[in-house]
Amino acid sequence: DVKVTQSSRYLVKRTGEKVFLECVQDMDHENMFWYRQDPGLGLRLIYFSYDVKMKEKGDIPEGYSVSREKKERFSLILESASTNQTSMYLCASTRVRLFGPQHFGDGTRLSIL
Amino acid sequence: GIQVEQSPPDLILQEGANSTLRCNFSDSVNNLQWFHQNPWGQLINLFYIPSGTKQNGRLSATTVATERYSLLYISSSQTTDSGVYFCAVERSETSGSRLTFGEGTQLTVNP
Repeated sequence: DVKVTQSSRYLVKRTGEKVFLECVQDMDHENMFWYRQDPGLGLRLIYFSYDVKMKEKGDIPEGYSVSREKKERFSLILESASTNQTSMYLCASTRVRLFGPQHFGDGTRLSIL
Repeated sequence: GIQVEQSPPDLILQEGANSTLRCNFSDSVNNLQWFHQNPWGQLINLFYIPSGTKQNGRLSATTVATERYSLLYISSSQTTDSGVYFCAVERSETSGSRLTFGEGTQLTVNP
């Protein structure tokens, strides 16, 4: 079974802090993704990556950056956290570059106070 | 961009009932997936089904790509089937599994 692991299930941070959300997959998947999920807005793509050191902006990249130094790990960074970034964050991966089933981690519920 | 509409938005069933969830999309797609999000927020991939029919236990899915819709069938529903069901699609041939999600169907199965 594919395993996508997010470092924290719940996280509370303060406004202005730099926040790191970590995601690791154990199946040598090519693609990795970060989404946020908000009531009434559904799932929205923040950033994705096709390969090590490669990244592409999704639909809502503002206020976020990412890092993929190793194939199995994809980090989401909130450079200066704000209250409107309080959300559920979901990491996902797919095995192949083009298409294929997308597998999600358990999510991180992030609260910015 | 591509539009994804799911129906019904909410569905309440008694345990043991059958149901059909629908996903309509506005353009041809190369990629269509169904997901279940349980009450704890975990998103589980149910089917990768850009066309044709697949079955997995009590669940099955059919995508008619030429008519731009997909159906998810749940038979003999159980309380553990409760949650939100999402359909997600992708049109591009180059963007690599960049999915557009529908708003979901909230399913409640009562004992």
